[in-house]
Amino acid sequence: EPEVTQTPSHQVTQMGQEVILRCVPISNHLYFYWYRQILGQKVEFLVSFYNNEISEKSEIFDDQFSVERPDGSNFTLKIRSTKLEDSAMYFCASREGQERGYTFGSGTRLTVV
Amino acid sequence: RKEVEQDPGPFNVPEGATVAFNCTYSNSASQSFFWYRQDCRKEPKLLMSVYSSGNEDGRFTAQLNRASQYISLLIRDSKLSDSATYLCVVNIVGAGSYQLTFGKGTKLSVIP
Repeated sequence: EPEVTQTPSHQVTQMGQEVILRCVPISNHLYFYWYRQILGQKVEFLVSFYNNEISEKSEIFDDQFSVERPDGSNFTLKIRSTKLEDSAMYFCASREGQERGYTFGSGTRLTVV
Repeated sequence: RKEVEQDPGPFNVPEGATVAFNCTYSNSASQSFFWYRQDCRKEPKLLMSVYSSGNEDGRFTAQLNRASQYISLLIRDSKLSDSATYLCVVNIVGAGSYQLTFGKGTKLSVIP
C-alpha cells in the first residue's frame, strides 16, 4: 500500500535553530498538508499546498514557517527560528483529489530544548 | 467555542462490550465527517467516513445527524486491538483546501 514517508522520525534542536522536516507524499497525489500535534493536544492544521503554492494556512503558520516542494517528490516544512512551544509531532499528509481521503505520514517528533 | 467536541473519556471496557462515542461540531457548513483512530504516538488513520444515511463496516457503525450537528461511532464486540484514541474529524468549508478539523479524541482501553 502506498505511504507517505517522513524523515527524520525524531529531531532534537536548540531553541533559535532552523529545522527542516521532510516528507515524500504518495506519487500521484496532488494536495499536500502539514499538521501538528502538541503532546496531549488535538491535531491542528498548519498549511495546505496545491499546484506549487500555499492554498490555505492557519494562524499557527506564521512567518517562522515555510513550505516548499523543491522537486517532484519532496515536500518540506521549515521552521526558521524554533521556539520551545514548537515542540510537537508534525504530520505530513497527501490526498489524490477533491473527494479522496487523506493519507498521513508517521510523523516527525520535534523537540526544542 | 470548540469546533469539534468529543466525550473526554477514557473509556475502559471489557472485551466483547459495545462502546459508543459521541461528537458534536459547531460549524453548520461542515461538509464531510470522519472517524479516525490514533494509536499512541502514531499518525491518525482513517477508520471510516460518516454519511447522513449512516454506515456500517463490520463491527463499526457511524451515524450523522446534521440537524443536531452530532456524530456517533458504535463499536460492537470490542477487541483488545480496538484500544486506541478515536478522533472525530470534520471538513470545515474553507478556501477549497479541504482542511480537516480534529476533535481532541476519546481514549478507549479494551481490557481482557
